Formats: sequence, structure tokens, C-alpha cells
Amino acid sequence: NAGVTQTPKFQVLKTGQSMTLQCAQDMNHEYMSWYRQDPGMGLRLIHYSVGAGITDQGEVPNGYNVSRSTTEDFPLRLLSAAPSQTSVYFCASSYSPRGEGEKLFFGSGTQLSVL
Amino acid sequence: AQSVTQPDIHITVSEGASLELRCNYSYGATPYLFWYVQSPGQGLQLLLKYFSGDTLVQGIKGFEAEFKRSQSSFNLRKPSVHWSDAAEYFCAVRGGGFKTIFGAGTRLFVKA
Repeated sequence: NAGVTQTPKFQVLKTGQSMTLQCAQDMNHEYMSWYRQDPGMGLRLIHYSVGAGITDQGEVPNGYNVSRSTTEDFPLRLLSAAPSQTSVYFCASSYSPRGEGEKLFFGSGTQLSVL
Repeated sequence: AQSVTQPDIHITVSEGASLELRCNYSYGATPYLFWYVQSPGQGLQLLLKYFSGDTLVQGIKGFEAEFKRSQSSFNLRKPSVHWSDAAEYFCAVRGGGFKTIFGAGTRLFVKA
């Protein structure tokens, strides 16, 4: 099993550019989510999805869009990159949001720099 | 909405000494609670979780955590720290709405 796969691993953008961070899982997980990790702030939830066609906002959704057209994929789109979006981004999934104590499976992260 | 507070940004302990990392949560009902560890340059690994039953839970690598409802706490403990435990530790809470919210993390340094 590949688990949760994120691409790219590293990306440098200029302010105002747009891009999509890809996330795919092969575990048939219903729940998928995106976090950003910044020093001293832990992981903050950007957007999440409880199934295909269903998405919702997390703690810090501004400047990001998501969609969930299939169970496997959950791309994160930066509409117009800003330096404040420089961060490490993690995609995470779990089998079912309704299951008790389901743990999150994390991707290896995307390090994004916005100049 | 749920929230998590980890009061200690960093902690330094000597190898072989005991460890306690603090975690306080805010949520109206009993939440699902987790501790994850992130080693340098690595992804996040689940140490342990609590969702019901015995309030003292055992995890991997010799870690344990105790859920105290009266104190809204879920502190992580280890009786004897090893140099390889140096990492960043995150407490997380999942309440209603399926969201898992993380604390800011505590970085553990281990002295030889």
C-alpha cells in the first residue's frame, strides 16, 4: 500500500501565482483533510472532507480551495499565493469520521515557499 | 468548537529521567484524544489514543497517557526517556463535526 501520497514534495512560488497540491490515498478512506504546519503553531486544519462531494472549512480556510470528486483524491488549491502561505502542508486521511478513535494517516508533506 | 492547549513550548530532560507533557482540551462532551509524535524531518506517528473506557491508556514506545475529565487534561508520560525520544509531540482532540484539532506542540530535548 502506498498510503497517503502528496505531490510535490517541494515547491517555490511567486506571490500571486496559483497552484494545486495533490493528495491521494489508496486505503478507501472516507475522511481526508489538509493541515499546515508552522513553527510554534502546530498543525492547523485548513479544509476537510467526510466523503466524495462533501467538503467543509477548518480553522484557517482563507486563500485555499478544495474539492472531492473521488474518494481517493483531495487536492488543495492556492488561488493567489501569498508569502503568509509559506508553510509545510500535510494531507491526512482516516477510514471513517464516524469511527471511534480513528487515527489519521499522514502524507510526507509538501514544503511550500512563496516569495 | 474544540481546542487544545499544550502549555510547554519545549522541555529538556536528562536521559533516563521521567517525562510528563501536558495537554488541556476544551470540548463540551467527552472527546476523542490523541498524542502524535514527529521526529526531525519525519511525518507524524500516532503514539496513543483515548475514546472511552479505562482512563489510563498505553501506547507505543513505552508511553502512556491519562484522561482526567475533571481537569480537561490528557497528559503524556514516560517513566524513562531515551535519547531517541527527542522529537516534537502533539496532542489532538476530535469532537463533533469530525474535525481533528491539534495543539501547538511541545518539543522535547534529551540531555545525555
